[in-house]
Amino acid sequence: GDSVTQMEGPVTLSEEAFLTINCTYTATGYPSLFWYVQYPGEGLQLLLKATKADDKGSNKGFEATYRKETTSFHLEKGSVQVSDSAVYFCALSPNSGYSTLTFGKGTMLLVSP
Amino acid sequence: GAGVSQSPSNKVTEKGKDVELRCDPISGHTALYWYRQSLGQGLEFLIYFQGNSAPDKSGLPSDRFSAERTGGSVSTLTIQRTQQEDSAVYLCASTLKIGGGMSDTQYFGPGTRLTVL
Repeated sequence: GDSVTQMEGPVTLSEEAFLTINCTYTATGYPSLFWYVQYPGEGLQLLLKATKADDKGSNKGFEATYRKETTSFHLEKGSVQVSDSAVYFCALSPNSGYSTLTFGKGTMLLVSP
Repeated sequence: GAGVSQSPSNKVTEKGKDVELRCDPISGHTALYWYRQSLGQGLEFLIYFQGNSAPDKSGLPSDRFSAERTGGSVSTLTIQRTQQEDSAVYLCASTLKIGGGMSDTQYFGPGTRLTVL
């Protein structure tokens, strides 16, 4: 079945540092890929998505590129802020039928001033 | 409403009691999903509705769990004879449509935190 693997956290960075959170997936066909973010005490919010190979999703300074050859969708940001502290979830859904999400286990990011 | 709403936001119950969790999707969204977020298991799919029917119930962990959707809108997830391992955050999500070969973005509610004592 489909699966998503994320790097384990917590990831601890200083403000303005470069962020990478690795995500790889296993799926049949060509899924859509997502990054969701969960801020402390809040629900899941879509951060960005990509629906086909080589697409780049971007939002709020975060980027991720759909790499079919490496089955990866790594999340990057050039300069993190304290307000980026949250749990980040990589997810996929098949591009056929309905779109149930398969999530990774989440990576906690802690950014200190 | 503007977003997916869920109620109650928190529910504490005793082992063996039944609970009902409610989800009100974004108006006009035809597809509705329930997920569970727990410490040990991460985020797990429970059930999917298209309109009022549930073509995929494969994620429901046992026959103590059931869900229904009426009028193509509000959905209720019912857990009978709750157990401590049912303690989790139950999340609901909705999407505008399905099909067309593309996955549609799911919009999540804030969740219901269930604690079974």
